Amino acid sequence: EAGVTQFPSHSVIEKGQTVTLRCDPISGHDNLYWYRRVMGKEIKFLLHFVKESKQDESGMPNNRFLAERTGGTYSTLKVQPAELEDSGVYFCASSKNRVEQFFGPGTRLTVL
Amino acid sequence: QQQVKQSPQSLIVQKGGISIINCAYENTAFDYFPWYQQFPGKGPALLIAIRPDVSEKKEGRFTISFNKSAKQFSLHIMDSQPGDSATYFCAASMSGSSNTGKLIFGQGTTLQVKP
Repeated sequence: EAGVTQFPSHSVIEKGQTVTLRCDPISGHDNLYWYRRVMGKEIKFLLHFVKESKQDESGMPNNRFLAERTGGTYSTLKVQPAELEDSGVYFCASSKNRVEQFFGPGTRLTVL
Repeated sequence: QQQVKQSPQSLIVQKGGISIINCAYENTAFDYFPWYQQFPGKGPALLIAIRPDVSEKKEGRFTISFNKSAKQFSLHIMDSQPGDSATYFCAASMSGSSNTGKLIFGQGTTLQVKP
């Protein structure tokens, strides 16, 4: 069974540009989570999807971040416009039961 | 507000020794406590998890000890090996159908096991 995949693995952009991160969850996992780790700090929750519906967006930093999960399969996280403080590693996780979460390898975003 | 506090930040252990990482939480509604292991360039991988109705869970060389009254839990790695060198994260969440299951993580501990 394939694990959670994320694309790209690295992204370097200029401040003010737009970046879109993609996550493909494990097949059959209705729950999809986005997390972020900034500057060696703790991994922080961003949001949670159940199928295509957003269940909890409480961790989204501001309205420059937009997450979608069309059709309940893969998800995208768009940052527009990117700011310096958005740099970090963005993780996606999926779960069948909202308990055990399986993480992808992450996307390292660097905003210059 | 940091709801899960993890210590130490880094740890160096000799091969064959015991590695101990501690976590403390604040929210008594948490009822699921996993530990994740992360190698460089990889995502966090679920290592072992415990619920508050048991005080200890052991899987191979990895043991979680849980103290509900103190709101603390710890990971013990017995007979530590160089291959255990990684970053370890504790986490907590509220399970149940009315909760999202979002994980609240500790800051992480970088473990180095010296040969």
